[in-house]
Amino acid sequence: AQSVTQLDSHVSVSEGTPVLLRCNYSSSYSPSLFWYVQHPNKGLQLLLKYTSAATLVKGINGFEAEFKKSETSFHLTKPSAHMSDAAEYFCVVSGTGGYNKLIFGAGTRLAVHP
Amino acid sequence: DARVTQTPRHKVTEMGQEVTMRCQPILGHNTVFWYRQTMMQGLELLAYFRNRAPLDDSGMPKDRFSAEMPDATLATLKIQPSEPRDSAVYFCASGLGQSSGNTIYFGEGSWLTVV
Repeated sequence: AQSVTQLDSHVSVSEGTPVLLRCNYSSSYSPSLFWYVQHPNKGLQLLLKYTSAATLVKGINGFEAEFKKSETSFHLTKPSAHMSDAAEYFCVVSGTGGYNKLIFGAGTRLAVHP
Repeated sequence: DARVTQTPRHKVTEMGQEVTMRCQPILGHNTVFWYRQTMMQGLELLAYFRNRAPLDDSGMPKDRFSAEMPDATLATLKIQPSEPRDSAVYFCASGLGQSSGNTIYFGEGSWLTVV
């Protein structure tokens, strides 16, 4: 069975400082992994995805994530936080069964302070 | 700018009433998902369609929920009768193909409150 664990439910950073949102996954085979962002009262927007190509994946808005198989991790980072980054972030693994069922982590709420 | 469109965006209804939520997937996408988001449970998959056929609705309460795709441009999620515990945000999402690496695109959600 596949699962994903987001290690922090809340992260708070100051504007201009680095962001690290942690995610660990469990999968019996090589997974596809995604990060989605949800701003208040909005839908989910894809930030980036990993599909067994380059292990360092660059996404929108300056975010990137590194797939580390040995650590079963897919942490999301950004060098410098912006106020507009405040949102909920979901780490997602694509499931089995021959179709792309998405299995969501519980989410990490990112707060950015001036 | 292709996007998944959901209606209604907001709905307040009384317990016992029927609620129908509609979704227009991105043109050409052949996979459609319904997700429910609550504070307690997070995001839960309710139903999945491929080429309009329901392939997985194991997450959906069968006694009151039903999901259909009358045609390739419309997916519906119906609750009858609705209950206060159904209050949640319901997201429709669509994608192309069945590969696990394919991106799924989400609508902005239907915010349902049952009083």
